[in-house]
Amino acid sequence: GAVVSQHPSWVICKSGTSVKIECRSLDFQATTMFWYRQFPKQSLMLMATSNEGSKATYEQGVEKDKFLINHASLTLSTLTVTSAHPEDSSFYICSANDGRTGELFFGEGSRLTVL
Amino acid sequence: AQTVTQSQPEMSVQEAETVTLSCTYDTSESDYYLFWYKQPPSRQMILVIRQEAYKQQNATENRFSVNFQKAAKSFSLKISDSQLGDAAMYFCAYRSASVLGAGNMLTFGGGTRLMVKP
Repeated sequence: GAVVSQHPSWVICKSGTSVKIECRSLDFQATTMFWYRQFPKQSLMLMATSNEGSKATYEQGVEKDKFLINHASLTLSTLTVTSAHPEDSSFYICSANDGRTGELFFGEGSRLTVL
Repeated sequence: AQTVTQSQPEMSVQEAETVTLSCTYDTSESDYYLFWYKQPPSRQMILVIRQEAYKQQNATENRFSVNFQKAAKSFSLKISDSQLGDAAMYFCAYRSASVLGAGNMLTFGGGTRLMVKP
């Protein structure tokens, strides 16, 4: 079946550094990708929607300058957490929309810990 | 905006027994999809079952079935013959089917943690 690969699965970084998380659709073209954030024991909260070749649409309260999203191709979207702080520590999950079938598939998630 | 509510933060079931997880939602749309996702400790989101709103027949996938009540905006998940591997977080989710609407992202409920007792 369709696979969405998310990398890295976990990352530890120092406060003030930037971290990039990649989300790749391996066997389909993803016209739209979604980035979610999940705090411990909580639900998934949509951060932003990215469409290939255009600027991402951010949900209210999500800082676009803090969370940079790039969707440069139909198989790759990246989320860059800039100048990371401990409060950015969280689990980040991407999902990709198969442009042909409309199905949504999830990546494995990335756990970010900012020291 | 659509909202999804799961009123049971935690549920417990004896192995081999049946358990029902509740979900209600609010929408003004007539065409949409509803999903139940399982999130085990690995945190990978696994699709359990989906329901198209235009279908009156309740979806079934092996031991998993739903009770979809469109008028009541209710979408419960029944797990029959519960197994230890069913222990996980379960999320109910809504997705618009309208191209011109809110887009095709998923809106999640708060989740229900299911524990299965041996």
